[in-house]
Parts: sequence; structure tokens; C-alpha cells
Amino acid sequence: DVKVTQSSRYLVKRTGEKVFLECVQDMDHENMFWYRQDPGLGLRLIYFSYDVKMKEKGDIPEGYSVSREKKERFSLILESASTNQTSMYLCASSLNAGTGELFFGEGSRLTVL
Amino acid sequence: GENVEQHPSTLSVQEGDSAVIKCTYSDSASNYFPWYKQELGKGPQLIIDIRSNVGEKKDQRIAVTLNKTAKHFSLHITETQPEDSAVYFCASYNTDKLIFGTGTRLQVFP
Repeated sequence: DVKVTQSSRYLVKRTGEKVFLECVQDMDHENMFWYRQDPGLGLRLIYFSYDVKMKEKGDIPEGYSVSREKKERFSLILESASTNQTSMYLCASSLNAGTGELFFGEGSRLTVL
Repeated sequence: GENVEQHPSTLSVQEGDSAVIKCTYSDSASNYFPWYKQELGKGPQLIIDIRSNVGEKKDQRIAVTLNKTAKHFSLHITETQPEDSAVYFCASYNTDKLIFGTGTRLQVFP
């Protein structure tokens, strides 16, 4: 069974803290994605990666960075968390870039106080 | 860039009725249109998709239609059941990424 695992389901952080959201997939997929989900705004792409060490900005990259040191792991980093980054974060992976099925993790709900 | 609009934002139906969710996209170059279902506490899951060379696709109780001229596509769920209750997202693939709609919360009442 395919699996995308996000390490933390719920996090509470303080403004200015550095936050790491970890994502691991066991499907040997080349492509990995980080989305942010907010009510009324749908899913918005933050960053994506089509290969190890490679990263591309999505639609809302400001305030975020990513790391992909290994094929199975894609990390989202908030260098200095702010209250407007309180949200649900979803990681996904896919076999085929673009038109392939996305497999999502269960999400990480981040609250920044 | 591509923009995807989705309507309605909420939809309530009686069990056994049909449900229709509609999306429009802006870029005529978009060529792939998936639908994802998100159940409470879970990540979205692909339920059906359609490519731009096809007008309609069915899978049991769900179907998707695509009108390229009008640049809109729709999800149809027939004989709805309580387990169909979820948030549904449409998406459009353009250039190098999927653009998602804003989601529709479907509630099916027994």
C-alpha cells in the first residue's frame, strides 16, 4: 500500500521559531510537493521537487524553504514562523510529473501563536 | 497564470439524490483535470480524472464531463450515499503544475 507519512499531525509554535515539517514516501517517486490548505482557498502549491537536490518554487513560496537530500524525504522549513502561516500543510508525491496521480499525506496542522 | 473556479462551496443532498460540482479554468492549454476527495482528517485522494482529448468518463457512480470550448468540467455523483460526504477538489494541469479549485463540501443526509 502506498504511503506518504508526515511526521507531525499537530504542531504549536511561537512567532519567530524555526519549524521543520518532514515528509517521507515509500513509493520510490521522483516527484514531491508541499501544499498549503486554507478554508476557501483550496490547495496552494508552496514548493515542489522533481529530483533529489532539486527544488522549484510554487505559487506561494514566500516565507518557506525546502530540502530534498534523499529521494524519499522532502522537508518544508519555516525559517521564522509567523501567525499568517497557521494552516494545514499537505505533502504529496507522484510517479509522473504533472499529470500523474498525487498521493497525499494526512497533513500537518500548524498553529503559530 | 491558470485560474480554477469551483462551485458551489457547499452542497447538501438527500441520500440517493445526485450531486453536481462544477469547475471552470482559464487557460485553454490546460490538458488534464483530476478530481480529489478529502475525507475528514485525511489527505485528498484521486477519485477520477479526465484528459483534454476525452469528453466524458465514468467510474461506477461517479462521472466527469469536460467542455473544452467553454473551459469547464463537472463531477457528477449519482445515487449518493452518506460515505460520499467529504470535501471535493477539482484541479487543472497547466505547464508544469496542478492548480486546485477552492473545494466543495458535500453533505449527504440519510
